[in-house]
Amino acid sequence: AQSVTQLGSHVSVSEGALVLLRCNYSSSVPPYLFWYVQYPNQGLQLLLKYTSAATLVKGINGFEAEFKKSETSFHLTKPSAHMSDAAEYFCAVSDSGGGADGLTFGKGTHLIIQP
Amino acid sequence: DGGITQSPKYLFRKEGQNVTLSCEQNLNHDAMYWYRQDPGQGLRLIYYSQIVNDFQKGDIAEGYSVSREKKESFPLTVTSAQKNPTAFYLCASTGGAGETQYFGPGTRLLVL
Repeated sequence: AQSVTQLGSHVSVSEGALVLLRCNYSSSVPPYLFWYVQYPNQGLQLLLKYTSAATLVKGINGFEAEFKKSETSFHLTKPSAHMSDAAEYFCAVSDSGGGADGLTFGKGTHLIIQP
Repeated sequence: DGGITQSPKYLFRKEGQNVTLSCEQNLNHDAMYWYRQDPGQGLRLIYYSQIVNDFQKGDIAEGYSVSREKKESFPLTVTSAQKNPTAFYLCASTGGAGETQYFGPGTRLLVL
């Protein structure tokens, strides 16, 4: 069975500082990995996805993530935080062809940006 | 514009009542999904359908039912057997294996 662990239910950074949101996964096969962002009372928006083409994945809004098989990690980073980045972030995994049978989500990390 | 619509935005359920949440997509996607979101719990899969007239249970299907009579529509019924229905419900769709799952704006279900 696949699973996702997001370390830290809340992460607080200063505006302009590095953002690092951690995600570790378990999967019995090479996984597909996703990061989604959710603003209050809205649906989820895809930030980026890993589908084995490249280990460093660039997404929208300046975010990127690196797939590290040896560490079973897929951490999300952004060099400089902006106030508009304040939101809930979810890491998700699928080992069934990129989510055809549904995604398994982590519990989410609430990103707080301090002015 | 292509996308996923969910209605209503807020829904109130009385004790013992069944309620139905609507999900419609015009993305021509074959696969559709229902997730439940609770605070601090992430999203959990309720049901999914990869093709019309076929659907499978997800991780937390008890107390829920679905139908898939049309490609565009995947309604979710929360039955009276679901004892803790208060949550945010999200519908998603995808064009197939390896494709992105796109999400609707969600329906918040509250119990009176």
